[in-house]
Amino acid sequence: GENVEQHPSTLSVQEGDSAVIKCTYSDSASNYFPWYKQELGKRPQLIIDIRSNVGEKKDQRIAVTLNKTAKHFSLHITETQPEDSAVYFCAALNTGFQKLVFGTGTRLLVSP
Amino acid sequence: EAQVTQNPRYLITVTGKKLTVTCSQNMNHEYMSWYRQDPGLGLRQIYYSMNVEVTDKGDVPEGYKVSRKEKRNFPLILESPSPNQTSLYFCASSLGRAGIQHFGDGTRLSIL
Repeated sequence: GENVEQHPSTLSVQEGDSAVIKCTYSDSASNYFPWYKQELGKRPQLIIDIRSNVGEKKDQRIAVTLNKTAKHFSLHITETQPEDSAVYFCAALNTGFQKLVFGTGTRLLVSP
Repeated sequence: EAQVTQNPRYLITVTGKKLTVTCSQNMNHEYMSWYRQDPGLGLRQIYYSMNVEVTDKGDVPEGYKVSRKEKRNFPLILESPSPNQTSLYFCASSLGRAGIQHFGDGTRLSIL
C-alpha cells in the first residue's frame, strides 16, 4: 500500500521568511496530492492540491510542486505570516485503491 | 450551509462500554471516511464508504465498525472500547474518491 513520509516534523520561521515542507510517497500509481492545514483545535482544511498531470500549482503565497520521477512533492509558503502557524498535512491518493494516505504532519510556527 | 456534523464532540467513557459516534453530511457526497488523529502519527483512515451499503477497511480498522444505510450518515461504532482507542476522531466526506475532503469538527474520545 501507499506510504507517505513528511519532513520536517516541526518548522520555525520568522515572519516574512519562506517555508518549505516536503513529502515523499511510495506508490507510483498515486495521482492526487492534497495539502491540508489544521489550526489549533480545528478541523483540517484543504489549502491546495495537485494532480499528477501537473508539475506545479500556485495560489497566492502558496505553491505546490510535484516530481513524479522522484515521487516527492513539496509545499512552499512565501512571505509567511503569524496566521500561517498551524499543522500542515500532505496526502497521496491512489484512485485505483480509493484510499487517501496522510503524512504525519508538520507543525509550522511563524514568529512575528 | 454545507457541513459535516459529528456528535458528540467530547466523550469520556470506560473500557467495554459500547459507543457510537455519529456523522452526517448535507452535501450529497458519495464518499465518506473516518480518521483517527494521534500525535506523531498524523491522520490514519479507519474505514471508508464509497456509497450506501458499500464500506471497506482503511489502515487501522481493528476494534471499529461502521455502517452506511443512508447516503448522509456514516456512524462509527466501538463495540468494546479500549484505552488504546483514546484519540481525536474525524469524519470526512467528498464528492467521489479524489474529491476534496470536507472534515467534521472532530470528536475527542477518552477511554478509561
